[in-house]
Amino acid sequence: GDSVTQMEGPVTLSEEAFLTINCTYTATGYPSLFWYVQYPGEGLQLLLKATKADDKGSNKGFEATYRKETTSFHLEKGSVQVSDSAVYFCALSDLAQGAQKLVFGQGTRLTINP
Amino acid sequence: DAGVIQSPRHEVTEMGQEVTLRCKPISGHDYLFWYRQTMMRGLELLIYFNNNVPIDDSGMPEDRFSAKMPNASFSTLKIQPSEPRDSAVYFCASSFVVSDTQYFGPGTRLTVL
Repeated sequence: GDSVTQMEGPVTLSEEAFLTINCTYTATGYPSLFWYVQYPGEGLQLLLKATKADDKGSNKGFEATYRKETTSFHLEKGSVQVSDSAVYFCALSDLAQGAQKLVFGQGTRLTINP
Repeated sequence: DAGVIQSPRHEVTEMGQEVTLRCKPISGHDYLFWYRQTMMRGLELLIYFNNNVPIDDSGMPEDRFSAKMPNASFSTLKIQPSEPRDSAVYFCASSFVVSDTQYFGPGTRLTVL
């Protein structure tokens, strides 16, 4: 079945550092890919998404490019802030498997120190 | 819009008791999802509804769990009887159409003693 694998956390960085959180996926069809963020004590909220190969999703300084050849959707940010501390989830939905089923990675906890 | 509303935000109960979690989706959304989040298993989809009809409940762990959606603005997730291993954060989410963005509620943190 479909699956998403994220780099293991926790990840700790200093403010203004460059961030990469790796995400790879396995899917039988042509999935849409998502990054969700969960701030402490809150539900998940969509950070960005991409629906086809080579699409780039971006929001709040974060970017991720849908790479079909490497089945990846790595999250990047050029200069992180303390307020970016959260848990980040990579996810996919696959029309071939019933797109309503979002399949999540295990989450990566990010802590940014001032 | 107020977003997805869940109640209660925290629930502490004793093993064997019945627990009911409630969700009000965003008005106009036609899909509703129930998830469970634990440290060990991460985020799991339990069940989802389309236009108030349950579509896939394959993620419901066992018969102790049941979910209903009597109308477009309300859903419940019930656990009877509850067990300590049910302790988790339960999220409700809703969306307009299949494959669109899911909007999550703040979650209910359930502790079963």
